[in-house]
Amino acid sequence: EAQVTQNPRYLITVTGKKLTVTCSQNMNHEYMSWYRQDPGLGLRQIYYSMNVEVTDKGDVPEGYKVSRKEKRNFPLILESPSPNQTSLYFCASSLGEPGRYEQYFGPGTRLTVT
Amino acid sequence: KNQVEQSPQSLIILEGKNCTLQCNYTVSPFSNLRWYKQDTGRGPVSLTIMTFSENTKSNGRYTATLDADTKQSSLHITASQLSDSASYICVVSAASGGFKTIFGAGTRLFVKA
Repeated sequence: EAQVTQNPRYLITVTGKKLTVTCSQNMNHEYMSWYRQDPGLGLRQIYYSMNVEVTDKGDVPEGYKVSRKEKRNFPLILESPSPNQTSLYFCASSLGEPGRYEQYFGPGTRLTVT
Repeated sequence: KNQVEQSPQSLIILEGKNCTLQCNYTVSPFSNLRWYKQDTGRGPVSLTIMTFSENTKSNGRYTATLDADTKQSSLHITASQLSDSASYICVVSAASGGFKTIFGAGTRLFVKA
């Protein structure tokens, strides 16, 4: 089954404790993104990757890191989480740029930073 | 400034009734507009996509319209079902040296028995 998977689905952590949210897709997609979704706001892009070893900042990259060592994986790293990073996070993948190709979203990771 | 605004923020309807959700955008230059359905606890799933030249697109009981002149789109749901309870997100893409995708905040629809 074609899908985007994320782990963990739920995470509660404390300020400053490094964490990684994994994302994997099995559709051989070139383009992958991370978004955060907050109440009353549309999804906002954190980082994206157009191909292996190519990553770039989205609209809200501060406090986040990513890597793309393999085509299928695109982990999101929070080196020193803060309470304002409490949010619902989605990984997405597409054949190419989302404006041109349909995006497929993962199930989401709900992160709480206390 | 590129923006996508959706209305209403939330809506409650009875099962079997029809409803229409609105999306107004100021994205330029316009490339395409998508409607997504997001069930609680799940990621968004694409319902329809429309380009500049299309003014209607259907997907089962979902019909999207686009008026590129007034920069408005609507999503009409016919004969609603309990499973239609979800958030519906309007997403507009601009094509200018690459693509910029802007998400609306969504309309939360509740269908009651």
